[in-house]
Amino acid sequence: DAKTTQPPSMDCAEGRAANLPCNHSTISGNEYVYWYRQIHSQGPQYIIHGLKNNETNEMASLIITEDRKSSTLILPHATLRDTAVYYCIVSNFGNEKLTFGTGTRLTIIP
Amino acid sequence: NAGVMQNPRHLVRRRGQEARLRCSPMKGHSHVYWYRQLPEEGLKFMVYLQKENIIDESGMPKERFSAEFPKEGPSILRIQQVVRGDSAAYFCASSLRLLAGANNEQFFGPGTRLTVL
Repeated sequence: DAKTTQPPSMDCAEGRAANLPCNHSTISGNEYVYWYRQIHSQGPQYIIHGLKNNETNEMASLIITEDRKSSTLILPHATLRDTAVYYCIVSNFGNEKLTFGTGTRLTIIP
Repeated sequence: NAGVMQNPRHLVRRRGQEARLRCSPMKGHSHVYWYRQLPEEGLKFMVYLQKENIIDESGMPKERFSAEFPKEGPSILRIQQVVRGDSAAYFCASSLRLLAGANNEQFFGPGTRLTVL
């Protein structure tokens, strides 16, 4: 699986949009981009995934660049409960194991 | 619909004892994954199982660790002769295995925190 690079930490003011970047420059054509988050030692929680089109669900939006070498997770209106470690993972279908890196520790500031 | 269940939530063992961690997947899920998280680190894949089959155990230590997912009952992660380095949080996840392009989301349980004295 392709490796990902994320900033180790970020802060965001409550109510503002949180934009979390991820680089995956070695991604291959059949690999998806997944985002999970882990809130204070709980089990990770799925957020969103995409292949090449931008995606949106009730939690977040995922913007993938045209060359697919990077992506951005957007939490449109961050709340204090969004404070967590966010993991960007690249994986192809058929390779079921998720490879978690060190993620980005997002802190929402009141 | 109950989520992924893990028990016990906390387990304390002395060096040399055995640890058994249980995982009940979400209803209808026949795919189970185990991950280990050492303190201040990310999760590391250990093993992927379907009912009665081990599909990928590439992340499992070669000795003392074993996993099963019987036809009936929960998946079990077994650690024999535990050592202090086994102290970690062990997470189980389950999923439906759908077609390519579908959301093969893994649903995680709350974890079992193993402490080896």
